[in-house]
Amino acid sequence: QVQLVESGGGLVKPGGSLRLSCAASGFTFSDYYMTWIRQAPGKGLEWVSYISSSGSTIYYADSVKGRFTISRDNPKKSLYLQMNSLRAEDTAVYYCARLSRSANGDYLQHWGQGTLVTVSS
Amino acid sequence: SSELTQDPAVSVALGQTVRITCQGDSLGSHYASWYQQKPGQAPVLVIYGKNVRTLGIPDRFSGSSSGTTASLIITGAQAEDEADYYCNSRDSSGYHWVFGGGTKLTVL
Repeated sequence: QVQLVESGGGLVKPGGSLRLSCAASGFTFSDYYMTWIRQAPGKGLEWVSYISSSGSTIYYADSVKGRFTISRDNPKKSLYLQMNSLRAEDTAVYYCARLSRSANGDYLQHWGQGTLVTVSS
Repeated sequence: SSELTQDPAVSVALGQTVRITCQGDSLGSHYASWYQQKPGQAPVLVIYGKNVRTLGIPDRFSGSSSGTTASLIITGAQAEDEADYYCNSRDSSGYHWVFGGGTKLTVL
């Protein structure tokens, strides 16, 4: 079955960096777009970034553009999010999710359990 | 601010029907998908596209769309349906995704 397992979260000081990873299994990773979504404590979901199956197409939310970098390693079936210049408002649970694209629109069928990033001094 | 607008909270009596709406200009040209999230859990896909229910989701859940408003309809709400519900779609540029602010559903 499809599994997505995030890791790399933790406590970091403002201005610091962190790299999140998402290990995928149970599907052909290189066939799918992948996304990062976050949720601040007690708040709603916020789309962060997505990357195409080959890695050639990438988009970011305005709130993280220029600070975060999404990447993937298809042979290793892994997705990454390099987060630099972290701010208190980046504190959130970060989820990776598999993006399916169809004639019936785009949808996020599979999600990981999330990893918590806390930015605090 | 979110480009998809949802009512923050909705309540429904047990066994009754409830409609959760999501409004946004981009919905005039892009399908919405709907996610259910219970406390401490990751979101779960409920409905996507033109009313496609994902595997394992009860048939009391359905979706509809009219103009720039998408709706998630629960016909005969159950206690276990109490959760936060989020809509998601592309934004007006078509290149970014956006979530609605979420609707907290209470089953009375």
